[in-house]
Amino acid sequence: EVQLVQSGGGLVEPGGSLRLSCAASGITPSNAWMNWVRQAPGKGLEWVGRLRPRNYGGTTEYAAPVKGRFTISSDDSKSTLFLEMNSLKAEDTAVYYCLTFGYWGQGTLVTVSS
Amino acid sequence: DIVMTQTPLSLSVTPGQPASISCKSSQRLLQSGGKTFFYWYLQKPGQPPQLLIYEVSSRFSGVPDRFSGSGSGTDFTLKISRVEAEDVGVYYCMQATQLPLTFGGGTKVEIK
Repeated sequence: EVQLVQSGGGLVEPGGSLRLSCAASGITPSNAWMNWVRQAPGKGLEWVGRLRPRNYGGTTEYAAPVKGRFTISSDDSKSTLFLEMNSLKAEDTAVYYCLTFGYWGQGTLVTVSS
Repeated sequence: DIVMTQTPLSLSVTPGQPASISCKSSQRLLQSGGKTFFYWYLQKPGQPPQLLIYEVSSRFSGVPDRFSGSGSGTDFTLKISRVEAEDVGVYYCMQATQLPLTFGGGTKVEIK
């Protein structure tokens, strides 16, 4: 059974950085289509970016609002997906989810505020 | 970007009655490989979304058969044959045919 357990998140000042983790069991992140999706408070779902499986190049793709500021990576030895977020803005405040196909992490809240 | 438009915004349903949600995409979702990467999710209060339907009409593991998906091109529908109390929440459609992946605005389903 696939399980995704997230960690990281919290309160950060504008311009700051944060790293989210998504520990996977039942899959190896580098062998799956791994996505990050976020949900601002009371709002709908917004795709953030994805990591392609190794046999599809293992490259990353990002939504326009986060491109150049966010980086997705994985560590096979830890079976973990990461989302490195830099130059954070107030509008990045949201619950962030990692997911692959039908499996979602529990979500982690990121609040960007001074 | 492909815009996904869901209707209605909200739905109040009597238990045991059917319900239907529509999702229209601004572009056709059929990929050159012959697949249509269109999905339906349900987000129950305080939980992450859960996958109901993938590739237009395939039910995900464990999803009750009262849920069904149909459609093609730019028009898609989720039907619940007999709504149950546990079906409350916000339903989202999503396309993964073209980047960026995009979601509909959501349809909130309540029980009368």
